[in-house]
Amino acid sequence: DAKTTQPPSMDCAEGRAANLPCNHSTISGNEYVYWYRQIHSQGPQYIIHGLKNNETNEMASLIITEDRKSSTLILPHATLRDTAVYYCIVRLYSNSGYALNFGKGTSLLVTP
Amino acid sequence: GAVVSQHPSRVICKSGTSVKIECRSLDFQATTMFWYRQFPKQSLMLMATSNEGSKATYEQGVEKDKFLINHASLTLSTLTVTSAHPEDSSFYICSAQTSGGPSSYEQYFGPGTRLTVT
Repeated sequence: DAKTTQPPSMDCAEGRAANLPCNHSTISGNEYVYWYRQIHSQGPQYIIHGLKNNETNEMASLIITEDRKSSTLILPHATLRDTAVYYCIVRLYSNSGYALNFGKGTSLLVTP
Repeated sequence: GAVVSQHPSRVICKSGTSVKIECRSLDFQATTMFWYRQFPKQSLMLMATSNEGSKATYEQGVEKDKFLINHASLTLSTLTVTSAHPEDSSFYICSAQTSGGPSSYEQYFGPGTRLTVT
């Protein structure tokens, strides 16, 4: 799986959009970008994933650059409960028994 | 979404004893489950891949005789930490991979088990 680079920490004011960047310059054509988050002392939670197109679900939006070398996870209206470590992971989709390779992630602190 | 449970959520044991942690997929079948370990302020580290009906595949540096994995059914995998030592104290997390259907090969994580060895 391609390696990802994320800032170690970010702050965001409650109610504002949180934009979490991720670099994955060595991503290959059939690798997807996945985002998970881990709230303290809990198991990781799936957020969203995408291949080329921007994706949106009830939790977040995923913006992938045209060259696919970077992406941004957007939490449109951050709440205190969004404080967590966010992991950007690049992996093959389907037909893959591979575990997720968690890097260090970005620790997001949402402040009142 | 799919639900994965772990039991127990917390366990304290004495050094030298063994501890079994269960990972269950509650509403789907999982031919593959993964076991991770997470030390404080660190990321998740893969320990082993568990496939139903076959031997687990361990990552480099993980002792298979110390961390026994059994995946006897499509909904249950167990991790037994044998002869536990204080350095085995950690947060153990499992994930279960779906197999087939609209969410093919997605992974869902359990809530984790906090092991403390005294």
